[in-house]
Amino acid sequence: ETGVTQTPRHLVMGMTNKKSLKCEQHLGHNAMYWYKQSAKKPLELMFVYNFKEQTENNSVPSRFSPECPNSSHLFLHLHTLQPEDSALYLCASSQDRSEAFFGQGTRLTVV
Amino acid sequence: GESVGLHLPTLSVQEGDNSIINCAYSNSASDYFIWYKQESGKGPQFIIDIRSNMDKRQGQRVTVLLNKTVKHLSLQIAATQPGDSAVYFCAENYGGATNKLIFGTGTLLAVQP
Repeated sequence: ETGVTQTPRHLVMGMTNKKSLKCEQHLGHNAMYWYKQSAKKPLELMFVYNFKEQTENNSVPSRFSPECPNSSHLFLHLHTLQPEDSALYLCASSQDRSEAFFGQGTRLTVV
Repeated sequence: GESVGLHLPTLSVQEGDNSIINCAYSNSASDYFIWYKQESGKGPQFIIDIRSNMDKRQGQRVTVLLNKTVKHLSLQIAATQPGDSAVYFCAENYGGATNKLIFGTGTLLAVQP
């Protein structure tokens, strides 16, 4: 275990559903990240939070809405997703620019 | 692995041999580089990192080499073991206060017993 926990591990949702992914880090880090890993592309950075403030939104569609209530928790709220949004969603944390530790990911399938 | 579907470069080695995985990065302003290993069904796992003020760094059985002139990074694994079989990613970082990691497509390392 890396100290970064993601739930759920697997999620199947319809295109009209609303769901949320959760990430929690137990490492005392100040930065948290969402990445998307799909079958046909490399890992893509989605959002960066530093001390709870969003510092990066990598042109992510508004149907993905992040929330960072504190430095230890990060959520990704999902609504009206498309089948092409099916992917592995990875959360990571780091202390400033030291190495980023990843969680196990949530395997999302949109039907 | 999680990158099934990508046309991943594959390196096939015999158990006990040394492996060298190469990576070209894109941004000359990148100043921090990380190698990750990803096994099937798992998130990327940190292996080793290097900052741009160095050209070589060694860990346990692994060595990373950085050539800034040609924007090239390599990961050397000594005495490769079956447990080393995975997809290996290099990542470059040119963010500010936090990590803005940009990942390569990855290389699949297949260790033959």
